[in-house]
Order: sequence, then C-alpha cells, then structure tokens
Amino acid sequence: EPEVTQTPSHQVTQMGQEVILRCVPISNHLYFYWYRQILGQKVEFLVSFYNNEISEKSEIFDDQFSVERPDGSNFTLKIRSTKLEDSAMYFCASSGEVLNTEAFFGQGTRLTVV
Amino acid sequence: AQSVTQLGSHVSVSEGALVLLRCNYSSSVPPYLFWYVQYPNQGLQLLLKYTSAATLVKGINGFEAEFKKSETSFHLTKPSAHMSDAAEYFCAVSKNSGGYQKVTFGTGTKLQVIP
Repeated sequence: EPEVTQTPSHQVTQMGQEVILRCVPISNHLYFYWYRQILGQKVEFLVSFYNNEISEKSEIFDDQFSVERPDGSNFTLKIRSTKLEDSAMYFCASSGEVLNTEAFFGQGTRLTVV
Repeated sequence: AQSVTQLGSHVSVSEGALVLLRCNYSSSVPPYLFWYVQYPNQGLQLLLKYTSAATLVKGINGFEAEFKKSETSFHLTKPSAHMSDAAEYFCAVSKNSGGYQKVTFGTGTKLQVIP
C-alpha cells in the first residue's frame, strides 16, 4: 500500500536554529498538508499546498514557517528560527484528485527545541 | 466550517467491557469521518473511515462506527476491550469535495483499560 514517509522521525534543535522537516507524499497525489500536534493536545492544521502554492493556511502558520516542493517528490516544512513552543509532532499528509479518497498521513517527525 | 466534538477526554473501561467513544460532527456538506488511534509517542493510525458508502463502518482491531445523520454522530465502539486498546483516539472530519481533504481533528479521548 502506498504511504507517506517523513524524515527524520525525531529531530532535536537549538532555539533560534532553522530546521527543515521532510516528507515524501504518495506519488500521484496533488494536495499536500502539514499538521502539528503539541504534546498532549489535538492535531492542528498548519497549511495546505497545491499546484506549487499555498492554498490555505492557519493562523499558526506565521512568517517563520514556509513550505516548498523542491522537486517532484519531496515536500518540506521549514521553520526559520525555532522557538521552544515549536516543539511538537509534525505530520505530513497528501491526497489526490479522485473522489471518495481521504488524506493519508505520515508517521510524523517529533521536533524538540532545546 | 467543519468540526467534531468528542465527549469525554478520558474514558475508563474494564478489560472485556464495551468500549464507546463519542463523536459528534458539524458540517455544512456531506462529510468524510474518521477515527484515528495514537499510541504513546507514536503517529496516527487510521482505524476506520466513513466516505458516504455504508453507514456502519468496520475498522481494524475489532472497532466499528456508525454514521447517524439524524444525530450528527459517529461514535466508535468495540464489544470487548483489550489491554492493548489503551491509547488516545481522535475523531476527525473532512469535506467530501474531491481531492482537497483538509482534516479537522477533535480534541481526543484517552482510553484506559483496567485489568
């Protein structure tokens, strides 16, 4: 079964450093998403991406965040200057154009900012 | 806008007892509905999904859920709880609108199974 893969599974970074979280969506999918889950809280939508541009973003997705699809397979989330409160699990997801299909989620990257 | 409400942030059941986790949804269009399970320090695992086909949906690990439009509910059940079912469960909703599938999650219910 096709799956969304995320790397790394766990990343530790120092406050103020830039971090890039990587995702490989399912190959024929066209919509891509990032979600965040702070420890002990619910999963929150960050941003969606379609046709090489952001299609929707939440109020969480401020100027320190950016997304990119640098090639035909990867989808990245960059946090420019990490803060302690960015520590969370980040989930990537993708979905296709076919009706009656849901979004598929990766296993997540746990980001710890120290 | 779509949303889901999960009633009860913590539910405790005895091993072998019925599991019932409640979820009500709000959606202006026919929704897709999902239940995900998350074990400690792990990712999201899809338990089951409703995508406008059968209203009674069977998922993995013996779980099932019934879509009730009249009650706007999608409660998750399992006839007999196992210790391994202890985890956090998230109800979620997305629009039935083709390829774009932004998902909105509930606040989660932690299931404790007592031996």
